[in-house]
Amino acid sequence: EPEVTQTPSHQVTQMGQEVILRCVPISNHLYFYWYRQILGQKVEFLVSFYNNEISEKSEIFDDQFSVERPDGSNFTLKIRSTKLEDSAMYFCASSPEAQPQHFGDGTRLSIL
Amino acid sequence: KNEVEQSPQNLTAQEGEFITINCSYSVGISALHWLQQHPGGGIVSLFMLSSGKKKHGRLIATINIQEKHSSLHITASHPRDSAVYICAVAQGAQKLVFGQGTRLTINP
Repeated sequence: EPEVTQTPSHQVTQMGQEVILRCVPISNHLYFYWYRQILGQKVEFLVSFYNNEISEKSEIFDDQFSVERPDGSNFTLKIRSTKLEDSAMYFCASSPEAQPQHFGDGTRLSIL
Repeated sequence: KNEVEQSPQNLTAQEGEFITINCSYSVGISALHWLQQHPGGGIVSLFMLSSGKKKHGRLIATINIQEKHSSLHITASHPRDSAVYICAVAQGAQKLVFGQGTRLTINP
């Protein structure tokens, strides 16, 4: 069965550095999402992406964050000038229509 | 107040017991999802509901739109069912709003 693939599984970065989290959505899916889960907390919506543009974003998704679909297969989340509080598990998801969503296994981001 | 509330937060049961996890929400939704998160962190979609009831193997999910309430049931529970179960509601076409999750432990 097709899967959403995320790389790396764990990323360790120094505070202030830029980080790019990568996702390969399921090939025929049209909607793409990023979520994050801070340790011990609930999953939070960051952004949704459709037709090569952001369709919705949360208050968390400020100017520090950006998303891109650089080619036909990858969907990336860039975090500029990382802060300690950016440490979290980041999940990518995709769907053929708006719902239901298929999730990747997540990237654990640790900011030192 | 959280838009999505789950109960209980933690649940421990013996193998074979019938399990119920509840979810209440306070916002208008287009659909409700039940998700499973294993200790490694990965999330698996179990059900998407907009009305009525769905069944998959030993799992049953129900939703009452008027009461803004959903339940997830597990029959004949097994230790491999141990995981965090998350209720999430879809607002509009895309955004999911998540509950805090229910940590389920099934002892042999």
